[in-house]
Amino acid sequence: ETGVTQTPRHLVMGMTNKKSLKCEQHLGHNAMYWYKQSAKKPLELMFVYSLEERVENNSVPSRFSPECPNSSHLFLHLHTLQPEDSALYLCASSQGVGTGGRGLSGANVLTFGAGSRLTVL
Amino acid sequence: DQQVKQNSPSLSVQEGRISILNCDYTNSMFDYFLWYKKYPAEGPTFLISISSIKDKNEDGRFTVFLNKSAKHLSLHIVPSQPGDSAVYFCATNTGNQFYFGTGTSLTVIP
Repeated sequence: ETGVTQTPRHLVMGMTNKKSLKCEQHLGHNAMYWYKQSAKKPLELMFVYSLEERVENNSVPSRFSPECPNSSHLFLHLHTLQPEDSALYLCASSQGVGTGGRGLSGANVLTFGAGSRLTVL
Repeated sequence: DQQVKQNSPSLSVQEGRISILNCDYTNSMFDYFLWYKKYPAEGPTFLISISSIKDKNEDGRFTVFLNKSAKHLSLHIVPSQPGDSAVYFCATNTGNQFYFGTGTSLTVIP
């Protein structure tokens, strides 16, 4: 497989459940991201891992817990979620800063997975 | 506070005509500006980018214009094709930091 793969594509869970989203990238990138996409809102950055170290956490609630065991895999562990957490969760990867693999302009280009559609009942 | 704004949620254009998608940003310190395209049930895919030191970048039918004094970015698609129908997101980038707009849904009418 190539690119960024996310599983499951759809997930329905109750507020007391514990589940995990998985992301895998086959691009040799060294940075991975979780984004949340809610209706009519900008993509919200949740977590960034660069070289397997978390470098940014934008005050995401603790009911979301990321895990990055290696540079190719990223998980988002979910527990005691709220209905307002229902959204599309997108994983992305990039070559990161100063390591090439950028757009022709030099931008750090994100490659996204297809997303996991989460519904919390 | 939203760093990147796309004020038009939707746009319809006739096939063969020009599509112009607009984006405004607030922070003049961003290094790069990007456009992503998203089809339903797929993740966003990178389309084109521009450095903050440029004012135009062209790639085939797609041209991105940057007006730094106005803090405005636009994407021109010419000629528009039905396959261009998608949601377009503009984004800014500095290092590992990205800010995205809310997207503009483009419909190209055959």
